[in-house]
Amino acid sequence: NAGVTQTPKFRVLKTGQSMTLLCAQDMNHEYMYWYRQDPGMGLRLIHYSVGEGTTAKGEVPDGYNVSRLKKQNFLLGLESAAPSQTSVYFCASSYSDSFYNEQFFGPGTRLTVL
Amino acid sequence: AQSVAQPEDQVNVAEGNPLTVKCTYSVSGNPYLFWYVQYPNRGLQFLLKYITGDNLVKGSYGFEAEFNKSQTSFHLKKPSALVSDSALYFCAVRDIYASGGSYIPTFGRGTSLIVHP
Repeated sequence: NAGVTQTPKFRVLKTGQSMTLLCAQDMNHEYMYWYRQDPGMGLRLIHYSVGEGTTAKGEVPDGYNVSRLKKQNFLLGLESAAPSQTSVYFCASSYSDSFYNEQFFGPGTRLTVL
Repeated sequence: AQSVAQPEDQVNVAEGNPLTVKCTYSVSGNPYLFWYVQYPNRGLQFLLKYITGDNLVKGSYGFEAEFNKSQTSFHLKKPSALVSDSALYFCAVRDIYASGGSYIPTFGRGTSLIVHP
Protein backbone atom coordinates (compact mmCIF):
# COMPACT_ATOMS: atom_id res chain seq x y z
CA ASN A 1 0.00 0.00 0.00
CA ALA A 2 1.22 3.47 -0.87
CA GLY A 3 -0.78 5.02 1.99
CA VAL A 4 -1.38 8.74 1.43
CA THR A 5 0.37 10.37 -1.50
CA GLN A 6 0.51 14.03 -2.51
CA THR A 7 1.25 15.66 -5.85
CA PRO A 8 3.30 17.77 -6.43
CA LYS A 9 6.03 17.76 -3.76
CA PHE A 10 7.17 21.31 -4.50
CA ARG A 11 5.70 24.22 -6.41
CA VAL A 12 6.49 27.89 -6.93
CA LEU A 13 3.67 30.17 -8.05
CA LYS A 14 3.38 33.81 -8.88
CA THR A 15 0.73 35.91 -7.15
CA GLY A 16 -2.59 35.44 -8.89
CA GLN A 17 -1.82 32.08 -10.45
CA SER A 18 -3.96 29.06 -9.73
CA MET A 19 -3.10 25.47 -8.96
CA THR A 20 -4.51 22.22 -7.66
CA LEU A 21 -2.93 19.93 -5.11
CA LEU A 22 -3.86 16.28 -5.36
CA CYS A 23 -4.14 13.89 -2.46
CA ALA A 24 -4.74 10.18 -2.97
CA GLN A 25 -5.18 7.35 -0.46
CA ASP A 26 -5.47 3.63 -1.04
CA MET A 27 -6.75 2.62 2.40
CA ASN A 28 -10.46 3.03 1.64
CA HIS A 29 -10.72 5.78 4.26
CA GLU A 30 -13.89 7.83 4.46
CA TYR A 31 -12.42 10.93 6.07
CA MET A 32 -9.87 13.13 4.36
CA TYR A 33 -8.33 16.42 5.48
CA TRP A 34 -6.20 19.26 4.20
CA TYR A 35 -3.90 21.10 6.64
CA ARG A 36 -1.35 23.82 6.30
CA GLN A 37 1.72 24.00 8.50
CA ASP A 38 3.46 27.29 9.22
CA PRO A 39 6.32 27.94 11.65
CA GLY A 40 5.02 28.47 15.17
CA MET A 41 1.43 27.85 14.10
CA GLY A 42 1.30 24.09 14.18
CA LEU A 43 -1.25 22.41 11.93
CA ARG A 44 -4.32 24.32 10.84
CA LEU A 45 -7.24 22.59 9.18
CA ILE A 46 -8.27 24.10 5.84
CA HIS A 47 -11.08 21.81 4.66
CA TYR A 48 -12.13 18.26 5.28
CA SER A 49 -14.42 15.61 3.85
CA VAL A 50 -16.41 12.92 5.63
CA GLY A 51 -17.13 10.96 2.47
CA GLU A 52 -17.27 10.99 -1.31
CA GLY A 53 -19.09 14.03 -2.60
CA THR A 54 -18.96 15.91 0.73
CA THR A 55 -16.73 18.74 1.92
CA ALA A 56 -16.70 21.07 4.90
CA LYS A 57 -14.77 24.13 6.01
CA GLY A 58 -12.08 23.92 8.63
CA GLU A 59 -10.30 26.61 10.60
CA VAL A 60 -8.70 28.55 7.71
CA PRO A 61 -10.76 27.93 4.52
CA ASP A 62 -10.53 31.35 2.87
CA GLY A 63 -8.76 31.36 -0.49
CA TYR A 64 -9.08 27.59 -0.93
CA ASN A 65 -11.59 25.26 -2.51
CA VAL A 66 -11.80 21.48 -2.38
CA SER A 67 -13.49 18.62 -4.14
CA ARG A 68 -14.01 14.95 -3.31
CA LEU A 69 -15.42 13.43 -6.49
CA LYS A 70 -13.87 10.04 -5.80
CA LYS A 71 -13.48 8.42 -2.42
CA GLN A 72 -9.74 7.98 -2.82
CA ASN A 73 -8.96 11.52 -3.97
CA PHE A 74 -9.20 14.91 -2.27
CA LEU A 75 -8.21 17.97 -4.28
CA LEU A 76 -7.22 21.34 -2.87
CA GLY A 77 -7.45 24.33 -5.19
CA LEU A 78 -6.00 27.80 -4.99
CA GLU A 79 -7.88 30.01 -7.43
CA SER A 80 -5.70 33.11 -7.08
CA ALA A 81 -2.57 32.45 -5.07
CA ALA A 82 -1.32 35.02 -2.55
CA PRO A 83 2.03 35.21 -0.72
CA SER A 84 0.16 34.46 2.53
CA GLN A 85 -0.53 31.00 1.13
CA THR A 86 3.15 30.14 1.14
CA SER A 87 3.20 27.10 3.39
CA VAL A 88 3.62 23.37 3.61
CA TYR A 89 0.38 21.56 2.87
CA PHE A 90 -0.43 18.16 4.31
CA CYS A 91 -3.21 15.81 3.41
CA ALA A 92 -4.43 13.19 5.87
CA SER A 93 -7.03 10.45 5.98
CA SER A 94 -8.73 8.30 8.60
CA TYR A 95 -11.43 5.66 8.99
CA SER A 96 -14.97 6.86 9.45
CA ASP A 97 -17.35 7.09 12.37
CA SER A 98 -14.81 6.59 15.07
CA PHE A 99 -13.29 9.14 17.36
CA TYR A 100 -10.41 6.87 18.30
CA ASN A 101 -8.94 6.35 14.84
CA GLU A 102 -5.61 7.95 14.13
CA GLN A 103 -4.87 9.93 11.00
CA PHE A 104 -2.48 8.94 8.23
CA PHE A 105 -0.54 11.81 6.69
CA GLY A 106 0.98 12.36 3.30
CA PRO A 107 4.56 13.61 2.80
CA GLY A 108 3.51 17.21 2.18
CA THR A 109 3.64 19.80 -0.60
CA ARG A 110 5.90 22.79 -0.16
CA LEU A 111 4.30 25.79 -1.89
CA THR A 112 5.94 29.16 -2.39
CA VAL A 113 3.96 32.09 -3.74
CA LEU A 114 6.06 34.97 -5.00
CA ALA B 1 -15.09 22.95 22.57
CA GLN B 2 -11.86 21.02 22.55
CA SER B 3 -8.36 22.41 22.81
CA VAL B 4 -4.86 21.19 23.42
CA ALA B 5 -1.74 22.98 24.61
CA GLN B 6 1.91 22.11 24.33
CA PRO B 7 3.53 24.56 26.72
CA GLU B 8 7.10 24.09 25.49
CA ASP B 9 8.23 25.12 22.02
CA GLN B 10 11.46 23.21 22.47
CA VAL B 11 12.79 20.49 24.75
CA ASN B 12 16.49 19.75 25.00
CA VAL B 13 17.80 16.50 26.48
CA ALA B 14 21.07 14.61 26.46
CA GLU B 15 21.22 11.23 24.79
CA GLY B 16 20.54 8.47 27.28
CA ASN B 17 18.54 10.68 29.61
CA PRO B 18 14.78 10.36 30.05
CA LEU B 19 12.62 12.77 28.11
CA THR B 20 9.19 14.28 28.65
CA VAL B 21 7.15 16.31 26.16
CA LYS B 22 4.16 17.94 27.79
CA CYS B 23 0.56 18.14 26.60
CA THR B 24 -2.56 19.40 28.36
CA TYR B 25 -6.08 19.32 26.99
CA SER B 26 -9.58 20.64 27.48
CA VAL B 27 -12.73 18.81 26.37
CA SER B 28 -16.41 18.69 27.23
CA GLY B 29 -16.62 14.92 27.48
CA ASN B 30 -14.13 12.09 27.50
CA PRO B 31 -10.90 12.83 25.67
CA TYR B 32 -9.29 10.69 23.03
CA LEU B 33 -5.64 11.67 22.83
CA PHE B 34 -2.94 11.12 20.25
CA TRP B 35 0.75 11.77 19.79
CA TYR B 36 2.35 12.18 16.37
CA VAL B 37 5.97 12.70 15.35
CA GLN B 38 7.26 14.65 12.37
CA TYR B 39 10.80 14.12 11.17
CA PRO B 40 12.36 16.85 9.00
CA ASN B 41 10.75 17.21 5.59
CA ARG B 42 8.28 14.41 6.30
CA GLY B 43 4.61 14.08 7.10
CA LEU B 44 3.30 13.30 10.58
CA GLN B 45 3.47 9.72 11.81
CA PHE B 46 1.21 8.24 14.48
CA LEU B 47 3.01 7.28 17.72
CA LEU B 48 0.35 6.27 20.21
CA LYS B 49 -3.14 6.98 21.48
CA TYR B 50 -5.23 6.89 24.62
CA ILE B 51 -8.80 5.71 24.30
CA THR B 52 -9.69 4.16 27.64
CA GLY B 53 -8.25 1.75 30.16
CA ASP B 54 -4.69 1.88 31.43
CA ASN B 55 -3.40 5.37 32.01
CA LEU B 56 0.04 4.41 30.69
CA VAL B 57 -0.01 3.87 26.96
CA LYS B 58 2.90 2.33 25.08
CA GLY B 59 3.61 3.20 21.47
CA SER B 60 6.17 3.06 18.69
CA TYR B 61 9.95 3.53 19.04
CA GLY B 62 9.91 3.00 22.82
CA PHE B 63 7.68 5.98 23.55
CA GLU B 64 4.93 5.94 26.13
CA ALA B 65 2.45 8.48 27.42
CA GLU B 66 0.71 8.92 30.73
CA PHE B 67 -2.92 10.01 30.86
CA ASN B 68 -3.81 12.02 33.95
CA LYS B 69 -7.48 12.94 34.11
CA SER B 70 -7.24 15.14 37.19
CA GLN B 71 -4.46 17.21 35.65
CA THR B 72 -5.94 16.98 32.13
CA SER B 73 -2.53 15.98 30.81
CA PHE B 74 -1.12 13.45 28.40
CA HIS B 75 2.65 13.77 28.58
CA LEU B 76 4.89 11.85 26.18
CA LYS B 77 7.84 10.05 27.74
CA LYS B 78 10.78 7.87 26.89
CA PRO B 79 13.17 6.35 29.44
CA SER B 80 16.32 6.85 27.38
CA ALA B 81 16.51 9.39 24.56
CA LEU B 82 18.28 8.78 21.26
CA VAL B 83 19.71 11.40 18.92
CA SER B 84 17.41 9.94 16.26
CA ASP B 85 14.41 10.95 18.41
CA SER B 86 15.07 14.57 17.50
CA ALA B 87 11.92 15.71 15.71
CA LEU B 88 8.74 17.75 16.05
CA TYR B 89 6.07 16.19 18.27
CA PHE B 90 2.37 16.98 18.10
CA CYS B 91 -0.35 16.20 20.61
CA ALA B 92 -3.96 15.97 19.37
CA VAL B 93 -7.33 15.53 21.04
CA ARG B 94 -10.78 14.40 19.98
CA ASP B 95 -13.88 15.01 22.06
CA ILE B 96 -16.79 12.63 21.66
CA TYR B 97 -19.10 15.58 22.29
CA ALA B 98 -17.58 17.64 19.49
CA SER B 99 -20.13 19.78 17.69
CA GLY B 100 -21.56 18.23 14.54
CA GLY B 101 -20.34 14.80 15.54
CA SER B 102 -17.56 14.86 12.98
CA TYR B 103 -14.83 14.15 15.54
CA ILE B 104 -12.29 16.40 13.87
CA PRO B 105 -9.14 16.40 16.01
CA THR B 106 -7.47 19.50 17.35
CA PHE B 107 -3.67 19.64 17.23
CA GLY B 108 -1.24 21.41 19.49
CA ARG B 109 1.36 23.74 18.04
CA GLY B 110 4.10 21.17 18.33
CA THR B 111 7.22 20.76 20.45
CA SER B 112 10.66 20.49 18.94
CA LEU B 113 12.67 17.79 20.70
CA ILE B 114 16.42 18.09 20.39
CA VAL B 115 18.54 15.24 21.72
CA HIS B 116 22.19 16.13 22.13
CA PRO B 117 24.92 13.47 21.72
